[in-house]
Amino acid sequence: DTAVSQTPKYLVTQMGNDKSIKCEQNLGHDTMYWYKQDSKKFLKIMFSYNNKELIINETVPNRFSPKSPDKAHLNLHINSLELGDSAVYFCASSQEDVETQYFGPGTRLLVL
Amino acid sequence: SQQGEEDPQALSIQEGENATMNCSYKTSINNLQWYRQNSGRGLVHLILIRSNEREKHSGRLRVTLDTSKKSSSLLITASRAADTASYFCATDPYYGQNFVFGPGTRLSVLP
Repeated sequence: DTAVSQTPKYLVTQMGNDKSIKCEQNLGHDTMYWYKQDSKKFLKIMFSYNNKELIINETVPNRFSPKSPDKAHLNLHINSLELGDSAVYFCASSQEDVETQYFGPGTRLLVL
Repeated sequence: SQQGEEDPQALSIQEGENATMNCSYKTSINNLQWYRQNSGRGLVHLILIRSNEREKHSGRLRVTLDTSKKSSSLLITASRAADTASYFCATDPYYGQNFVFGPGTRLSVLP
C-alpha cells in the first residue's frame, strides 16, 4: 500500500547509457514531481506534471525527459548518462500545486 | 544564499533536550513547509504554515513564521533518538516561482 513508489531503488550504469526511472502514486494526486538530490543533500526540482501537462521545467539538460502515461505515473528518462548525473532522484506527488508533497523512497543512480 | 536556507547546518543534542532549527528565505511566500529525511529515505512532510499564520503545533513540533523577517523556526521538544534525521524547509514563493528546498539541518540526538 505504498503511496509513492519508485523503481529501481538502485541503478548502476556506464557513462553514455540511456536509462529510465519509474514512479507511481496511488494517492489520486494530480501533480507529480521529480527532484535531484546531490551528494551535499541539496534537493532541486527538475520537473512537475499536472494533468499530463508539464508545468515546471527547470534548466535541466534536455537529456532528461519526463514521461507521464497517466495521472498516476511520471517516469524519468535519461539519455547519454554523464558522471555528474550520479545522485539520488526522488519522485513526489501532491493534490494541488506546491501543497504538501509525498515523496517516494528515492532511486540512487551511480554513473561509472 | 538560496531561498529557503536552514541553520545550523548540523546540530547535536542529548535525548530529552529541545532542538531548534531556523530557516530564512528571500521572497514573499504562500506557505512554508518543514520536511524530515531519515538517512537513505525519502522526505516526509511534517508541517505546513501559511503566510497568514504565525505559529503552528503538531505533537512535539512547533513551527513559527515571521514574514517580516522572512524566517521560520522548527522546535522539536523532548527530543528522542528517533528524531535523528535531516530537516528541510521548503518555500512556495508567491509569484509562481519554483518550489524550493533549503540545504537542510542534520540533527543528531544522542541517547
